[in-house]
Amino acid sequence: ILNVEQSPQSLHVQEGDSTNFTCSFPSSNFYALHWYRWETAKSPEALFVMTLNGDEKKKGRISATLNTKEGYSYLYIKGSQPEDSATYLCASPLSSGGSNYKLTFGKGTLLTVNP
Amino acid sequence: DAGVTQSPTHLIKTRGQQVTLRCSPKSGHDTVSWYQQALGQGPQFIFQYYEEEERQRGNFPDRFSGHQFPNYSSELNVNALLLGDSALYLCASSLGGSFNTEAFFGQGTRLTVV
Repeated sequence: ILNVEQSPQSLHVQEGDSTNFTCSFPSSNFYALHWYRWETAKSPEALFVMTLNGDEKKKGRISATLNTKEGYSYLYIKGSQPEDSATYLCASPLSSGGSNYKLTFGKGTLLTVNP
Repeated sequence: DAGVTQSPTHLIKTRGQQVTLRCSPKSGHDTVSWYQQALGQGPQFIFQYYEEEERQRGNFPDRFSGHQFPNYSSELNVNALLLGDSALYLCASSLGGSFNTEAFFGQGTRLTVV
């Protein structure tokens, strides 16, 4: 993995379903992993910033795990609600050489929760 | 407490013109990053300003430049606009000039180049 990749690209679930998405990133020179939620016509909102291998974070019904050795993070939503409908973005600082880092985003997972 | 504010919200420019976008960070934040988001893509990192200096830069040409003022607000300047510069430009503020703290985003400036 040389970039930040997310899957699936989009997801439709029914209200009450639990769901999860994946973010893959380069495991070498790991710095941090960010998750953001971006609702239509609003600003991206930070969910989690994770830095330690094995870290698990939780905010309400949303939680995330991090595996820096294999280069992936999972975002889980328990009991999805229509208000969870949004694009979920992950990002990781990647170095193009030396100490120059750029926060690199995946293309996002568009979640639609049907009532 | 005001969050991150960007101005203007929408802008239409002609090819070859120059544009300046503005960003006021969240109160207490000292770091501002700029991103370009084209349709169907994730935000692309342009650069980050901390202590009035450009600290990190993405893969954008020199036509993209910026500035950070002593009050931590920031400007993004784009010269010689191309049609391909049409995008949503996002500003994000954070604390401490690193990438291991959460960033707070503005709502963006929608730039259309015709």
